Amino acid sequence: NAGVTQTPKFRVLKTGQSMTLLCAQDMNHEYMYWYRQDPGMGLRLIHYSVGEGTTAKGEVPDGYNVSRLKKQNFLLGLESAAPSQTSVYFCASRSGRGSGEQFFGPGTRLTVL
Amino acid sequence: TQLLEQSPQFLSIQEGENLTVYCNSSSVFSSLQWYRQEPGEGPVLLVTVVTGGEVKKLKRLTFQFGDARKDSSLHITAAQPGDTGLYLCAGALPTSGTYKYIFGTGTRLKVLA
Repeated sequence: NAGVTQTPKFRVLKTGQSMTLLCAQDMNHEYMYWYRQDPGMGLRLIHYSVGEGTTAKGEVPDGYNVSRLKKQNFLLGLESAAPSQTSVYFCASRSGRGSGEQFFGPGTRLTVL
Repeated sequence: TQLLEQSPQFLSIQEGENLTVYCNSSSVFSSLQWYRQEPGEGPVLLVTVVTGGEVKKLKRLTFQFGDARKDSSLHITAAQPGDTGLYLCAGALPTSGTYKYIFGTGTRLKVLA
């Protein structure tokens, strides 16, 4: 039981390049979230999903797209990376019970030059 | 934009001292969670408080949810070097069949031996 895994762990991009971050969970959780964490700003919600095939925008969705084709996977895409997207990205999942615990992945550290 | 103000941002104390971290908001939350995050890892849940006025204890850590469910505090008694880390609060807000979470900016605690 690996919990929540994220790939890659580190990535450096040039401005304008694209990439996809993969999040996978093996806990059969319905809800999945993508956050970014920047110094002094806590975690901010980018997009979230309430189930397979559904996605919704969070607080800071601009410049990102997501897909949830399979229940266990939640993909975050950057179509044209910008230096402002340099951050640490965390994926989280949780079960459908109440407003309880989110389980977080280890994060992806992305640098955009 | 919902905000969750967390204070203090940084705290450096000697082993054995007590400390309190605060989270305050103008929003009413369905629940509030406290997480601890180690460098290079994702946040890990410490506790969830749900009921206004609720107090939960986890060994030397005491968590309290405000009566109006807008604020919370974390009190650590006799801090130890092992308590060093980033502490995050997160308030749950209902949205579109699930919950979204507003995170505080974090309190970076360092306990000196």
